[in-house]
Amino acid sequence: SQQGEEDPQALSIQEGENATMNCSYKTSINNLQWYRQNSGRGLVHLILIRSNEREKHSGRLRVTLDTSKKSSSLLITASRAADTASYFCATGNDMRFGAGTRLTVKP
Amino acid sequence: DAMVIQNPRYQVTQFGKPVTLSCSQTLNHNVMYWYQQKSSQAPKLLFHYYDKDFNNEADTPDNFQSRRPNTSFCFLDIRSPGLGDAAMYLCATSRDLGMVLGYPDTQYFGPGTRLTVL
Repeated sequence: SQQGEEDPQALSIQEGENATMNCSYKTSINNLQWYRQNSGRGLVHLILIRSNEREKHSGRLRVTLDTSKKSSSLLITASRAADTASYFCATGNDMRFGAGTRLTVKP
Repeated sequence: DAMVIQNPRYQVTQFGKPVTLSCSQTLNHNVMYWYQQKSSQAPKLLFHYYDKDFNNEADTPDNFQSRRPNTSFCFLDIRSPGLGDAAMYLCATSRDLGMVLGYPDTQYFGPGTRLTVL
């Protein structure tokens, strides 16, 4: 089964800056999902992008998908301290998660 | 309004003492999943139920069992917890199964139960 792989593993930025996280995968997909996890909590679904979409927006989130490169990026604009969390991409019918990117936004 | 509820949020057990973690859902979803997540790692799928059909991951230890008595409830039983089983256990649901849909369905996660093994 395929599994998304996020990079970087950890990202530390100042409040107000943009944060970009990347996800690569190995086989063809129907859609790709991004989830967020606050420390010690469950995962929360952020956004789903379908394989025929190239870009999707939701509030301060922007997700791109490049199926030719088998990669996706999650951009959080104007980051806030409350965005501090781990971010995971998930692909595959059986919903395998990558190791995630730990984002720290410093006030 | 809680949709996926896990109890307890924190569980302490002793080495070798059986423990049961509980998950319930108000979404009437067909699929319920159990994940194990150790510190700074990705959630690892242990098994899932599609309705009453149980699907075990190949590398899930025999020490881990699950029960789903009805649509709303699913339990994770750890028969003889070892120190290495200390982790966060996440329950999730989805309306349908990716294998059936042909694409992954959105999952809804509970807050998790943190298990400590003494």
